[in-house]
Amino acid sequence: QKEVEQNSGPLSVPEGAIASLNCTYSDRGSQSFFWYRQYSGKSPELIMFIYSNGDKEDGRFTAQLNKASQYVSLLIRDSQPSDSATYLCAVNKNTGFQKLVFGTGTRLLVSP
Amino acid sequence: DGGITQSPKYLFRKEGQNVTLSCEQNLNHDAMYWYRQDPGQGLRLIYYSQIVNDFQKGDIAEGYSVSREKKESFPLTVTSAQKNPTAFYLCASSIDRWGNQPQHFGDGTRLSIL
Repeated sequence: QKEVEQNSGPLSVPEGAIASLNCTYSDRGSQSFFWYRQYSGKSPELIMFIYSNGDKEDGRFTAQLNKASQYVSLLIRDSQPSDSATYLCAVNKNTGFQKLVFGTGTRLLVSP
Repeated sequence: DGGITQSPKYLFRKEGQNVTLSCEQNLNHDAMYWYRQDPGQGLRLIYYSQIVNDFQKGDIAEGYSVSREKKESFPLTVTSAQKNPTAFYLCASSIDRWGNQPQHFGDGTRLSIL
């Protein structure tokens, strides 16, 4: 089992729809969770981070965390073609220092 | 303008050659990291440094070396011992070396074999 798993996609949604990106992780002691967006050929850009169970909203983005189910998701409302990118989930393992483990990413395609 | 600067953007390595990738940050962050990204794969940790004059191996350190003589700088050397160096190399930093603050990335260096 991979430490951080994401569906590689592509996930295709029409413009204006809600895109739902999912991530599961194996280490129950993981404490913080990050979503990065990576455009083709570019470096990852931080979208959101979440530490506590529940939802955290920032503009069109909502991160959801369920530690009991070891599941974190990212919802993108009113999806735009400019949201088309690969979304990386990263999990901070509880090792006493910050070590992020990254999933392989989900490719999102938003069609006009 | 605060940020992380990686150079060069593109780099070519000849057989048997060592090459050094530069990473400089002016964010006053304690922790710095080097990752490697191969096509279709997630980021893999090469080395990290939590504080000046200290660094630790990550998951794939073989064939790489680093130094952290200044807080702002964390250069990565890809040695000739690294047999498959072609990849996208990313440097990151974080204000928080222990816990939960996010890492921020530079623009990356693409390394290829000649």
